[in-house]
Amino acid sequence: GENVEQHPSTLSVQEGDSAVIKCTYSDSASNYFPWYKQELGKRPQLIIDIRSNVGEKKDQRIAVTLNKTAKHFSLHITETQPEDSAVYFCAASTFFSTGNQFYFGTGTSLTVIP
Amino acid sequence: KAGVTQTPRYLIKTRGQQVTLSCSPISGHRSVSWYQQTPGQGLQFLFEYFSETQRNKGNFPGRFSGRQFSNSRSEMNVSTLELGDSALYLCASSPSPGQSTDTQYFGPGTRLTVL
Repeated sequence: GENVEQHPSTLSVQEGDSAVIKCTYSDSASNYFPWYKQELGKRPQLIIDIRSNVGEKKDQRIAVTLNKTAKHFSLHITETQPEDSAVYFCAASTFFSTGNQFYFGTGTSLTVIP
Repeated sequence: KAGVTQTPRYLIKTRGQQVTLSCSPISGHRSVSWYQQTPGQGLQFLFEYFSETQRNKGNFPGRFSGRQFSNSRSEMNVSTLELGDSALYLCASSPSPGQSTDTQYFGPGTRLTVL
């Protein structure tokens, strides 16, 4: 089955700096890669996603890049703010004839220091 | 539209008991997936239901089971609870059947504590 690895597990940055979180996946059949943000005590919220026919996608301060050949994708947050502090999860979706299944990374705890 | 809802939000049980958790998906969503979230293991996939049928199952023992009703609401049951079952149980719904680009939307979770 699919295996998603996420690095780093913890990340601290100064406010205003950029943060980068990287994920690798093993199944070349995976073609949908969402990123979720989970604040303490809250549900994971989708913040951005990318599909395998696209190499990069941006939404204001957040961007995701995908390298299908190398099987890795990354989340980039620019001009970080204290409210960006949260746990971020990457995921890869693999489609089976019986349905689709999501595989999640183990999460990155991001702390933005004011 | 209302988001995914889960009940109850908190549960305290003792070892050996059983528990049933409920999830109501976003209106119109037909797929419901369940995950176990623990600090050390992240989000672990339990199972996915669509049209009252379990389509995919993760690597959990048979004590973990679920079902889906005709209105897409889903329940998850854990029998003979163990201390290690203490976790946040999340459900997620997605709109379309069997498409690999479906987006999943999460509920707030049920925090289960086993004493």
